[in-house]
Amino acid sequence: DAGITQSPRYKITETGRQVTLMCHQTWSHSYMFWYRQDLGHGLRLIYYSAAADITDKGEVPDGYVVSRSKTENFPLTLESATRSQTSVYFCASSESTRQTQYFGPGTRLLVL
Amino acid sequence: AQKITQTQPGMFVQEKEAVTLDCTYDTSDQSYGLFWYKQPSSGEMIFLIYQGSYDEQNATEGRYSLNFQKARKSANLVISASQLGDSAMYFCAMREGRGNAGNMLTFGGGTRLMVKP
Repeated sequence: DAGITQSPRYKITETGRQVTLMCHQTWSHSYMFWYRQDLGHGLRLIYYSAAADITDKGEVPDGYVVSRSKTENFPLTLESATRSQTSVYFCASSESTRQTQYFGPGTRLLVL
Repeated sequence: AQKITQTQPGMFVQEKEAVTLDCTYDTSDQSYGLFWYKQPSSGEMIFLIYQGSYDEQNATEGRYSLNFQKARKSANLVISASQLGDSAMYFCAMREGRGNAGNMLTFGGGTRLMVKP
């Protein structure tokens, strides 16, 4: 029972490069989410998806792109990475609206 | 204005004692949910307990209970009989809104709990 996985777990990249963070869940949950965690800010929602092909912005969407062609995958792309995007990124999923969200292990991203 | 406020950046508790982690929230919705998550040093986010705004009883899950005071807009986490493995960051979060947006979580800044042997 893999649950929700993220890859890579650690990533170092350079300013201006494109980076894609992967998220995969095996529960067939409808909802998926991307958060970033920074010191002093807790977790903040970047994007979420209610189902395949349905995505919407969260609190801090600028500089990020998401897609969801399959229910189980929800990749997050930084089109041109900036140092301010250095963070820990968490993917989460929930079965339906208003249900508990379960989190992946996180990806630590460093942008040089 | 902060929607979720956790006023205790860090706390110590003696092993086997109970501890209360504070959380206050701000919403104008009648229907909302409150969550607590634990983040150990390994980094994962672990769901602990949930309280719905219409739930009349305080939620309990093993050694965790949620002291829900709706009029005061507080949702404090109580951990009974603390264990060394309880040392971690604890986050309070709120779900509010309707439709697809009603599944979005807003998190507080967290409280670091350290259990002393």
